[in-house]
Amino acid sequence: KNQVEQSPQSLIILEGKNCTLQCNYTVSPFSNLRWYKQDTGRGPVSLTIMTFSENTKSNGRYTATLDADTKQSSLHITASQLSDSASYICVVSRSGNDMRFGAGTRLTVKP
Amino acid sequence: EAQVTQNPRYLITVTGKKLTVTCSQNMNHEYMSWYRQDPGLGLRQIYYSMNVEVTDKGDVPEGYKVSRKEKRNFPLILESPSPNQTSLYFCASSSPRGSGETQYFGPGTRLLVL
Repeated sequence: KNQVEQSPQSLIILEGKNCTLQCNYTVSPFSNLRWYKQDTGRGPVSLTIMTFSENTKSNGRYTATLDADTKQSSLHITASQLSDSASYICVVSRSGNDMRFGAGTRLTVKP
Repeated sequence: EAQVTQNPRYLITVTGKKLTVTCSQNMNHEYMSWYRQDPGLGLRQIYYSMNVEVTDKGDVPEGYKVSRKEKRNFPLILESPSPNQTSLYFCASSSPRGSGETQYFGPGTRLLVL
Protein backbone atom coordinates (compact mmCIF):
# COMPACT_ATOMS: atom_id res chain seq x y z
CA LYS A 1 0.00 0.00 0.00
CA ASN A 2 1.35 3.37 -0.98
CA GLN A 3 2.21 5.44 2.07
CA VAL A 4 1.62 8.71 0.23
CA GLU A 5 -1.84 9.31 -1.20
CA GLN A 6 -2.61 12.28 -3.44
CA SER A 7 -5.96 13.69 -4.45
CA PRO A 8 -7.50 14.34 -6.80
CA GLN A 9 -5.93 12.08 -9.41
CA SER A 10 -6.65 14.68 -12.05
CA LEU A 11 -8.03 18.19 -12.13
CA ILE A 12 -9.11 20.58 -14.87
CA ILE A 13 -9.38 24.30 -14.15
CA LEU A 14 -9.69 27.49 -16.15
CA GLU A 15 -6.76 29.83 -16.57
CA GLY A 16 -6.63 32.43 -13.80
CA LYS A 17 -8.41 30.25 -11.24
CA ASN A 18 -6.88 28.95 -8.01
CA CYS A 19 -6.67 25.30 -7.03
CA THR A 20 -5.51 23.14 -4.14
CA LEU A 21 -3.95 19.70 -4.35
CA GLN A 22 -3.91 17.33 -1.39
CA CYS A 23 -1.34 14.91 -0.01
CA ASN A 24 -1.98 12.54 2.91
CA TYR A 25 0.78 10.32 4.20
CA THR A 26 1.39 7.58 6.74
CA VAL A 27 5.17 7.60 6.42
CA SER A 28 6.93 7.43 9.76
CA PRO A 29 9.29 8.65 11.03
CA PHE A 30 9.00 11.91 9.15
CA SER A 31 11.97 13.89 7.90
CA ASN A 32 10.63 16.24 5.24
CA LEU A 33 7.98 16.66 2.58
CA ARG A 34 8.57 17.95 -0.93
CA TRP A 35 6.36 18.95 -3.81
CA TYR A 36 7.62 18.45 -7.35
CA LYS A 37 6.25 19.62 -10.68
CA GLN A 38 6.65 17.25 -13.61
CA ASP A 39 5.94 18.43 -17.13
CA THR A 40 4.94 15.74 -19.61
CA GLY A 41 7.97 13.80 -20.79
CA ARG A 42 10.39 15.55 -18.45
CA GLY A 43 11.94 14.94 -15.06
CA PRO A 44 10.38 16.30 -11.86
CA VAL A 45 11.48 19.73 -10.68
CA SER A 46 11.43 20.70 -7.01
CA LEU A 47 8.90 23.35 -5.92
CA THR A 48 9.08 23.32 -2.13
CA ILE A 49 10.54 21.34 0.74
CA MET A 50 9.28 21.46 4.33
CA THR A 51 10.59 19.96 7.51
CA PHE A 52 8.62 19.02 10.60
CA SER A 53 8.75 22.50 12.10
CA GLU A 54 7.57 24.34 8.99
CA ASN A 55 3.88 24.62 8.23
CA THR A 56 3.99 26.76 5.11
CA LYS A 57 6.41 27.44 2.27
CA SER A 58 5.93 29.57 -0.82
CA ASN A 59 7.55 29.57 -4.23
CA GLY A 60 6.00 32.30 -6.37
CA ARG A 61 2.38 31.36 -7.04
CA TYR A 62 2.85 28.00 -5.32
CA THR A 63 2.19 27.71 -1.58
CA ALA A 64 2.61 24.44 0.28
CA THR A 65 1.24 23.77 3.73
CA LEU A 66 2.05 20.99 6.16
CA ASP A 67 0.15 19.68 9.17
CA ALA A 68 2.49 17.14 10.72
CA ASP A 69 -0.07 16.23 13.38
CA THR A 70 -2.69 15.09 10.86
CA LYS A 71 -0.03 14.08 8.30
CA GLN A 72 -1.53 16.20 5.59
CA SER A 73 -0.06 18.62 3.10
CA SER A 74 -1.56 20.77 0.41
CA LEU A 75 -0.22 22.66 -2.58
CA HIS A 76 -2.14 25.80 -3.48
CA ILE A 77 -1.69 27.34 -6.91
CA THR A 78 -2.80 30.95 -7.28
CA ALA A 79 -3.91 32.60 -10.52
CA SER A 80 -3.18 29.53 -12.61
CA GLN A 81 -1.44 29.80 -15.96
CA LEU A 82 -1.41 27.46 -18.94
CA SER A 83 2.19 26.56 -18.06
CA ASP A 84 0.99 25.15 -14.74
CA SER A 85 -0.42 22.17 -16.65
CA ALA A 86 1.67 19.28 -15.31
CA SER A 87 1.71 16.49 -12.77
CA TYR A 88 2.39 17.47 -9.18
CA ILE A 89 4.10 14.90 -7.00
CA CYS A 90 4.23 14.78 -3.22
CA VAL A 91 7.31 13.08 -1.75
CA VAL A 92 7.72 12.24 1.93
CA SER A 93 11.12 11.32 3.33
CA ARG A 94 11.87 9.22 6.34
CA SER A 95 15.35 9.38 7.78
CA GLY A 96 18.26 9.23 5.39
CA ASN A 97 17.40 8.69 1.76
CA ASP A 98 14.20 6.69 2.19
CA MET A 99 11.70 8.61 0.08
CA ARG A 100 8.09 7.68 -0.65
CA PHE A 101 6.45 9.10 -3.74
CA GLY A 102 2.80 9.81 -4.31
CA ALA A 103 1.27 8.85 -7.65
CA GLY A 104 0.76 12.51 -8.50
CA THR A 105 -2.11 14.81 -9.45
CA ARG A 106 -2.47 15.61 -13.14
CA LEU A 107 -3.47 19.30 -13.50
CA THR A 108 -4.77 20.71 -16.76
CA VAL A 109 -5.24 24.45 -17.09
CA LYS A 110 -7.52 25.46 -19.96
CA PRO A 111 -7.79 28.89 -21.58
CA GLU B 1 24.64 24.71 -16.59
CA ALA B 2 23.96 22.35 -13.68
CA GLN B 3 22.23 19.27 -14.98
CA VAL B 4 21.67 15.54 -14.96
CA THR B 5 21.89 13.87 -18.34
CA GLN B 6 20.64 10.47 -19.41
CA ASN B 7 21.23 8.46 -22.56
CA PRO B 8 19.52 7.23 -24.52
CA ARG B 9 16.26 9.15 -24.15
CA TYR B 10 14.27 6.48 -25.99
CA LEU B 11 15.08 2.81 -26.45
CA ILE B 12 13.27 -0.13 -27.98
CA THR B 13 14.85 -3.52 -27.40
CA VAL B 14 13.99 -7.21 -27.27
CA THR B 15 13.76 -9.58 -24.34
CA GLY B 16 17.14 -10.76 -23.10
CA LYS B 17 19.33 -8.27 -24.90
CA LYS B 18 21.58 -6.55 -22.35
CA LEU B 19 21.40 -2.78 -22.23
CA THR B 20 22.86 0.11 -20.27
CA VAL B 21 21.32 3.49 -19.58
CA THR B 22 23.90 6.10 -18.69
CA CYS B 23 23.46 8.89 -16.17
CA SER B 24 25.86 11.74 -15.57
CA GLN B 25 25.74 14.83 -13.34
CA ASN B 26 28.00 17.88 -13.31
CA MET B 27 27.17 19.20 -9.82
CA ASN B 28 29.69 17.13 -7.84
CA HIS B 29 26.80 15.46 -5.99
CA GLU B 30 27.55 12.50 -3.74
CA TYR B 31 24.07 11.00 -3.87
CA MET B 32 22.60 9.51 -7.04
CA SER B 33 19.56 7.38 -7.59
CA TRP B 34 17.54 5.55 -10.24
CA TYR B 35 13.75 5.46 -10.39
CA ARG B 36 11.14 3.95 -12.64
CA GLN B 37 7.80 5.59 -13.21
CA ASP B 38 4.73 3.63 -14.21
CA PRO B 39 1.17 4.92 -14.66
CA GLY B 40 -0.75 5.10 -11.40
CA LEU B 41 2.21 3.97 -9.31
CA GLY B 42 4.37 7.05 -9.06
CA LEU B 43 8.14 6.96 -8.91
CA ARG B 44 9.75 3.90 -7.36
CA GLN B 45 13.38 3.75 -6.38
CA ILE B 46 15.48 1.03 -8.03
CA TYR B 47 18.97 1.63 -6.66
CA TYR B 48 20.81 4.49 -5.03
CA SER B 49 24.40 5.42 -4.32
CA MET B 50 25.68 7.47 -1.41
CA ASN B 51 29.10 7.96 -2.98
CA VAL B 52 31.73 6.32 -5.19
CA GLU B 53 31.74 2.53 -4.80
CA VAL B 54 28.75 2.70 -2.40
CA THR B 55 25.45 1.42 -3.79
CA ASP B 56 22.32 -0.04 -2.25
CA LYS B 57 18.98 -1.48 -3.28
CA GLY B 58 15.84 0.59 -3.40
CA ASP B 59 12.28 -0.70 -3.50
CA VAL B 60 12.37 -2.51 -6.86
CA PRO B 61 15.95 -3.67 -7.58
CA GLU B 62 15.13 -7.05 -9.20
CA GLY B 63 16.46 -7.31 -12.74
CA TYR B 64 18.72 -4.26 -12.46
CA LYS B 65 22.35 -3.59 -11.67
CA VAL B 66 24.25 -0.37 -11.08
CA SER B 67 27.82 0.74 -10.61
CA ARG B 68 29.44 3.89 -9.24
CA LYS B 69 33.07 3.94 -10.29
CA GLU B 70 33.17 7.72 -10.66
CA LYS B 71 31.33 10.41 -8.77
CA ARG B 72 29.65 11.90 -11.82
CA ASN B 73 28.38 8.67 -13.46
CA PHE B 74 25.80 6.15 -12.32
CA PRO B 75 24.82 3.74 -15.11
CA LEU B 76 21.79 1.45 -14.89
CA ILE B 77 22.30 -2.03 -16.36
CA LEU B 78 19.61 -4.45 -17.44
CA GLU B 79 21.40 -7.76 -17.97
CA SER B 80 18.40 -9.57 -19.44
CA PRO B 81 15.52 -7.16 -19.99
CA SER B 82 11.96 -8.43 -19.81
CA PRO B 83 8.69 -6.80 -20.93
CA ASN B 84 7.76 -5.90 -17.34
CA GLN B 85 10.74 -3.55 -17.35
CA THR B 86 9.07 -1.40 -19.97
CA SER B 87 8.86 1.91 -18.17
CA LEU B 88 10.04 5.50 -17.89
CA TYR B 89 13.34 5.72 -16.03
CA PHE B 90 14.74 8.72 -14.19
CA CYS B 91 18.17 9.33 -12.73
CA ALA B 92 18.53 11.88 -9.94
CA SER B 93 21.30 13.42 -7.88
CA SER B 94 21.62 15.57 -4.77
CA SER B 95 24.10 16.68 -2.16
CA PRO B 96 25.29 16.01 0.42
CA ARG B 97 23.20 13.06 1.57
CA GLY B 98 19.91 13.25 -0.31
CA SER B 99 17.68 13.94 2.64
CA GLY B 100 16.69 17.56 3.13
CA GLU B 101 18.37 18.52 -0.11
CA THR B 102 16.77 19.13 -3.48
CA GLN B 103 17.06 16.24 -5.89
CA TYR B 104 17.77 17.11 -9.49
CA PHE B 105 16.22 14.76 -12.01
CA GLY B 106 17.39 13.86 -15.48
CA PRO B 107 15.08 14.15 -18.51
CA GLY B 108 14.07 10.48 -18.41
CA THR B 109 14.63 7.41 -20.58
CA ARG B 110 11.61 5.73 -22.08
CA LEU B 111 12.27 2.00 -22.50
CA LEU B 112 10.16 -0.49 -24.41
CA VAL B 113 11.06 -4.17 -24.12
CA LEU B 114 9.40 -6.38 -26.73
